Amino acid sequence: DIQMTQSPSALSVSVGDTVTITCQASQDSKNYVNWYQQKPGKAPKLLIYDASSLETGVPSRFSGSGSGTQFTFIISGLQPEDLATYFCQQTNDLPITFGQGTRLDFK
Amino acid sequence: QVQLQESGPGLVKPSETLSLTCVVSSGSIRTNNWWSWVRQSPGKGLEWLGEIYPHGSVNYNPSLESRLTMSVDTSKKQISLYLTSVTDADTAVYYCARGKTVSPNAFDSWGQGTMVTVSS
Repeated sequence: DIQMTQSPSALSVSVGDTVTITCQASQDSKNYVNWYQQKPGKAPKLLIYDASSLETGVPSRFSGSGSGTQFTFIISGLQPEDLATYFCQQTNDLPITFGQGTRLDFK
Repeated sequence: QVQLQESGPGLVKPSETLSLTCVVSSGSIRTNNWWSWVRQSPGKGLEWLGEIYPHGSVNYNPSLESRLTMSVDTSKKQISLYLTSVTDADTAVYYCARGKTVSPNAFDSWGQGTMVTVSS
């Protein structure tokens, strides 16, 4: 299985901050990495697919980059509604696997 | 926008079989999409269980393959999951999700999830 090591596991943030989350894949995942946002009691929501493509309807302050084994997710200008947990996911190989998540909290 | 709704028993006894269904509403199931089950527990985060294509193909997570069966009923617009010999490690919120057409395992639609507790 491809292991996705996500960091940090938690981050204290303020409105307006630029937030960077990384995922390292244990094997080449090409560009088949997706990013999700999850709020408490809700299902995950797709934000970025194929490493850098913005899902329809998602604000442009969310972005992703990377290929191979190193992937980065950025929120530029954090908004209050962005407080959530974020997950990466690799889909290059079965079984599909997820990172352990990054929880954002207000400072 | 497709909508997904999971349903299940809520409580299952150890060693029994868990059965869950996911109904697809406000959209078609006869599309070029893969449909997956994902579960989430505090101890293991998000875990992909398997996927099914309405035209017959299925892939399972090897860690569960011996206990897992997925099926689809296109006439009822329903996807089903059966997990045998459950233990407390199977306690989780279970989601069904649709993969995008252009990126088959990027899940662009999710159900609200159904909580399953394994306990005697």
